[in-house]
Amino acid sequence: DQQVKQNSPSLSVQEGRISILNCDYTNSMFDYFLWYKKYPAEGPTFLISISSIKDKNEDGRFTVFLNKSAKHLSLHIVPSQPGDSAVYFCAARGSSNTGKLIFGQGTTLQVKP
Amino acid sequence: NAGVMQNPRHLVRRRGQEARLRCSPMKGHSHVYWYRQLPEEGLKFMVYLQKENIIDESGMPKERFSAEFPKEGPSILRIQQVVRGDSAAYFCASSPGQESGEQYFGPGTRLTVT
Repeated sequence: DQQVKQNSPSLSVQEGRISILNCDYTNSMFDYFLWYKKYPAEGPTFLISISSIKDKNEDGRFTVFLNKSAKHLSLHIVPSQPGDSAVYFCAARGSSNTGKLIFGQGTTLQVKP
Repeated sequence: NAGVMQNPRHLVRRRGQEARLRCSPMKGHSHVYWYRQLPEEGLKFMVYLQKENIIDESGMPKERFSAEFPKEGPSILRIQQVVRGDSAAYFCASSPGQESGEQYFGPGTRLTVT
C-alpha cells in the first residue's frame, strides 16, 4: 500500500524554466511533508518542508504547495538550473510520536542547458 | 559543523556473515533513524531511536536485524546471517527533535552480499 506516490518517474525541462514535481498521498493524518534531492551514491539532501496546517512555503528558488483537499503537494523550482538535475523524493511524516518518514518512489529531473 | 557520518561507505559480506553499520548523528542531534533503499525502490523506514531507547521499530524485519543507539558512541545497525536480499543502501538520518519533521541524512552504506 503506497501511501505517498510520485506518478512521474522523470521530468525534463529547459534551463531557466520552471520545474514542477508532483506528489500525492492518501493519509490525511500526515503532519509534515518534505522534499529531498538525491544524487547517485549520496544521501538525500533536505530541500524544503511544509506543515499540514499551511498551504505554501517558499525558500529561495524552491516553493512547496500543499492542497489538503486533493491530498496533493508540489515542488516548484524557478528558475531551473542544470545543477538541479537529480532524483527528487517527497516524504510525509506520520506523526511526531513515530518520526517515521514515508517516501515516494522519486522523480528524476533533468535540466537541459 | 559536520553532517551525519556513516561508515563504512561500502561493505561486502558473504552470505551468513554479520554486517555492522555505524552512524554518528549531527552534533546536537539526539534522534536517529535508519532507512533502507533497495535497488529501483524508494527509501523505506526501518527504525527510530533516541539515546538508549528504541522508539519505533515497525519497519525492521522480524529476524536477523537489530539496532541500538548507546549512551556513548554511534548508532549501530546490525544484520546477522546476511542473505543476498539484504543487499541495499542503508541510510541513517538524524534530527534535533520532532518539532519540524526535518531529518538530515548521511551518505549511506552500500551493502553487497555475495
